[in-house]
Amino acid sequence: DGGITQSPKYLFRKEGQNVTLSCEQNLNHDAMYWYRQDPGQGLRLIYYSQIVNDFQKGDIAEGYSVSREKKESFPLTVTSAQKNPTAFYLCASSIGGTPYGYTFGSGTRLTVV
Amino acid sequence: LAKTTQPISMDSYEGQEVNITCSHNNIATNDYITWYQQFPSQGPRFIIQGYKTKVTNEVASLFIPADRKSSTLSLPRVSLSDTAVYYCLVGDMRTGRRALTFGSGTRLQVQP
Repeated sequence: DGGITQSPKYLFRKEGQNVTLSCEQNLNHDAMYWYRQDPGQGLRLIYYSQIVNDFQKGDIAEGYSVSREKKESFPLTVTSAQKNPTAFYLCASSIGGTPYGYTFGSGTRLTVV
Repeated sequence: LAKTTQPISMDSYEGQEVNITCSHNNIATNDYITWYQQFPSQGPRFIIQGYKTKVTNEVASLFIPADRKSSTLSLPRVSLSDTAVYYCLVGDMRTGRRALTFGSGTRLQVQP
């Protein structure tokens, strides 16, 4: 079955450490996205990528970095520069050329300890 | 980018019809209206999408007036499992050129 896989589901990080969240899709979608969700809040866009080797900052990119070396993969690194990284992180993808919506992964809950 | 306004929360009872209205006064010609549903600790799930008039699928209906400045998601005969947050998004998803923004959504609570 096609879909988006995010791993791990739960992640704990010590302050000052970088951590990378994985996002893989086998839907052959062109575009991929990273959102952050805080408790009781909506989703905020961190980064997105339309094609391989290209990505754009979203509304809250500071303290995060991404790469898009393969069409299937769009990992997100939460750096030590991110002051409040504890949140629920969601990866999504979409296909260009048609007005279809986003397909989301099941998310990664990151907790700084 | 068209901004959307929707109620923060709504309450309903099982078996009732629920209508959630979204305002999007600045919708552009190429924009579509898309609704998502999100359960706690899960990613949002696509419900329905439309451009004008009425769209219906097995889950919901979407009503869009001629001026397209608002839209209404209609959930027929809700059940407890429809308790979730519902997001209204407006934008042109065809090219992926610009990612869409999710607002705070409408938190629907269905009671027995």
